[in-house]
Order: sequence, then structure tokens, then C-alpha cells
Amino acid sequence: QSALTQPRSVSGSPGQSVTISCTGTSSDVGIYNYVSWYQHHPGKAPKLMIYDVNKRPSGVPDRFSGSKSGNTASLTISGLQAEDEADYYCCSYAGIYTRIFGGGTKLTVL
Amino acid sequence: EVQVVESGGGLVQPGGSLRLSCEVSGFTFSDYWMSWVRQIPGKGLEWVANIKPDGIERGYADSVKDRFTISRDNAKNSLYLQIKSLRAEDTAVYHCARGGGPAAIFDPWGQGTLVIVSS
Repeated sequence: QSALTQPRSVSGSPGQSVTISCTGTSSDVGIYNYVSWYQHHPGKAPKLMIYDVNKRPSGVPDRFSGSKSGNTASLTISGLQAEDEADYYCCSYAGIYTRIFGGGTKLTVL
Repeated sequence: EVQVVESGGGLVQPGGSLRLSCEVSGFTFSDYWMSWVRQIPGKGLEWVANIKPDGIERGYADSVKDRFTISRDNAKNSLYLQIKSLRAEDTAVYHCARGGGPAAIFDPWGQGTLVIVSS
């Protein structure tokens, strides 16, 4: 049960776009369309931003989008805003009861 | 409003035990998978365990298997995590979350309860 691989940090200026990758294997990300993304401001509860690879829950701005190619899923945030600065985690189904998170990516808005 | 609130964390000695609780409101608890996810200080999120709506089938991360037990009481809208044989590396904030079923969707989460394992 190895963690999915995410870059430790990304950054961008307000108004720009950033993409966070999440690399798994052919046993998790590559085979299932059950990838979700979470935004976590330290000290608060993590928040669901994307599910089923590319679906947005109600209330999440359409600046957030998800995609997948092969064993790598991606979260793109366009029109960066200061409040987007947070840690972001991907998660994938990896078996009947197993779920795997990525190591997390710290997004800095410059 | 859907709410998830954890309790039961604290300071415990290595080898000790603790029972974490999670009370929910605002949704039909017995319809949903439930999960525990932890965040080790300075590190990322780690899925710990999940349990089906009927409470019969459960899953565990390899790192906690045989030491942690997830359970639920649908009559009390409550989820539990019994943890034993605690190790320093179990020090973390433990979050309760609705979901964690086949689609790996955790929503919403509680703010978590801190467990510190130290002598």
C-alpha cells in the first residue's frame, strides 16, 4: 500500500493556473475511475474538491477541474486566488476495502 | 447540516489503548460507509480503516491491521476506532469521514482528534 506520488509543492501567481499530478499504478489510479481530490487548510477539516476523476461537488468553483491519463491523475486550478493556498491530496480506490492517498502537495499563491 | 465530530484523543503511553468516537448528524448514518483517516504530524493523509453500512465488513490499512478495530452503532449514529498496542508512529490527528466506500469519496470530514503516543 504505497502512497500515490504527488509533487511536494507547486506555486503560482493570482490569476494563473497550476496543475498538481498524482501518480499511481495499474492497480489503482490506472485501472479505476475513482480518484478524488481534497483541499486541506491546516487545522481544518479536509474538503472534497473533485470525485470520480473529474466531477465537482456542488459549491466547488469551476476553477477546479480533474483529469486522468494512464496511471496519473491531475488537478488543475485556474484563475488562482489567495484562498486556494492549501495542501491538496489525491485519493484512489485500490481494492475492495483499500484506499490510498497521495503524499500531499502544498500550493503557494505568490 | 451534515456534521461529523470526533472525540476521545489524548496522550497515551506506548503499548497503551484508546477508543476514538465519532458522532454524526444531518444524514441517515446507516446508509453510508464510514472511515477513519489520519494525518501524522508533518506528513500527509493516511487512510486507516473503513466499514460498510451494515457494520459487518471492514477494511484496514496494513500499518494498523490487527491493532485497530473499526466499529459502528447505527442506533447511536456513532463510529468508533479502538486502537491498541499504540506506537510512537501512531501519533496523529485522526479524522472521521463519511464515505470511503468503493468510489473513495470522503465527504464531509471532521476536524479530527489528536492522539499523542509518548512516555
